[in-house]
Amino acid sequence: DGGITQSPKYLFRKEGQNVTLSCEQNLNHDAMYWYRQDPGQGLRLIYYSQIVNDFQKGDIAEGYSVSREKKESFPLTVTSAQKNPTAFYLCASSLGAGTGHRELFFGEGSRLTVL
Amino acid sequence: AQKVTQAQTEISVVEKEDVTLDCVYETRDTTYYLFWYKQPPSGELVFLIRRNSFDEQNEISGRYSWNFQKSTSSFNFTITASQVVDSAVYFCALSGGYQKVTFGIGTKLQVIP
Repeated sequence: DGGITQSPKYLFRKEGQNVTLSCEQNLNHDAMYWYRQDPGQGLRLIYYSQIVNDFQKGDIAEGYSVSREKKESFPLTVTSAQKNPTAFYLCASSLGAGTGHRELFFGEGSRLTVL
Repeated sequence: AQKVTQAQTEISVVEKEDVTLDCVYETRDTTYYLFWYKQPPSGELVFLIRRNSFDEQNEISGRYSWNFQKSTSSFNFTITASQVVDSAVYFCALSGGYQKVTFGIGTKLQVIP
């Protein structure tokens, strides 16, 4: 089945540690995104990539980094610089880039908890 | 700047009741797209519908219907004869182009059997 796979589903981190969340898609989509979801705040865009080897900051990129070396993969690293990393992280993709009318396809999310 | 307001943070209804989820948006773009997504307890958001700014026709899909009114900048979602499986968080979203999507904070719907 085509879709987006995120791993791990749950992750615990000690303060000061970097962690990387995996996102893989087999939909052959050009664009990929990372969102952060917090209670009462909806979804906020962290980073997005419209093409391999290129990505742009979203609204809350500070403390995060990404790479897009392959079309199907868009990993997100939560660095120690992120002051409040405990959240639910969602990866998404869409067919085509640069057009706002495409619907987003989402993974099941990764819940990160900082101890 | 774009903005999406979902004023209802939580709604509870008894099964078989009808329920309407409100969505009000703000944008300066003349061409834009509105979306509704459903987030069940499993976590992944599922696309329900898309409307562009030039198409104000209402849409019905089974028990779901959507009412788009540009005059009031609203894109409301009605579930008829609600079922327990409809329990989820519903997000309204707005895109003015170039994949910059703005989401509302979501409305949590609980359908009580």
